[in-house]
Amino acid sequence: GENVEQHPSTLSVQEGDSAVIKCTYSDSASNYFPWYKQELGKGPQLIIDIRSNVGEKKDQRIAVTLNKTAKHFSLHITETQPEDSAVYFCAASSGYSTLTFGKGTMLLVSP
Amino acid sequence: NAGVTQTPKFRVLKTGQSMTLLCAQDMNHEYMYWYRQDPGMGLRLIHYSVGEGTTAKGEVPDGYNVSRLKKQNFLLGLESAAPSQTSVYFCASSSGNEQFFGPGTRLTVL
Repeated sequence: GENVEQHPSTLSVQEGDSAVIKCTYSDSASNYFPWYKQELGKGPQLIIDIRSNVGEKKDQRIAVTLNKTAKHFSLHITETQPEDSAVYFCAASSGYSTLTFGKGTMLLVSP
Repeated sequence: NAGVTQTPKFRVLKTGQSMTLLCAQDMNHEYMYWYRQDPGMGLRLIHYSVGEGTTAKGEVPDGYNVSRLKKQNFLLGLESAAPSQTSVYFCASSSGNEQFFGPGTRLTVL
């Protein structure tokens, strides 16, 4: 089955800095890669996703890049704000609409 | 629209007791999922359903059963709870890609 590795497990940045979270996957058949944000006491919420036929996708301060050859994808957050503090999960899907999640990255943005 | 709702929000069980967690969605989604979330382990899929009347095993199905008798509901059952099942349980639904998550149920088994 699919295996998703996520790094780092914790990330501390100053407000205004950029943050990068990286994930690798094992199943070359995976074709859908979402990123979820989970705030304390809430369920995860999709923030951005990318499909295997696209190398990069941006949405305001958030971007995701995908390297299919190396089987890794990354989340980039620019101009971080305190409200970006949360746990972020990457995931990969190779069919049947199921997702395999990474173990999460706790992002702390200090004012 | 309420989205995905879960009941109860909190529950404490004694070892060996049984209980059922209820998930409901009002988005007419075909797919529904149950995950458990443990510290440092991310979200792990327990069981899922690709349509009314169907269920399938996920990554960690042992000790759990599920039923999808109605399209909008997905039930997760624990027949004989064990301390290892102490966790936060999330339900999600999807029409194919983006999964929408409920607020979670925090279960403690003593």
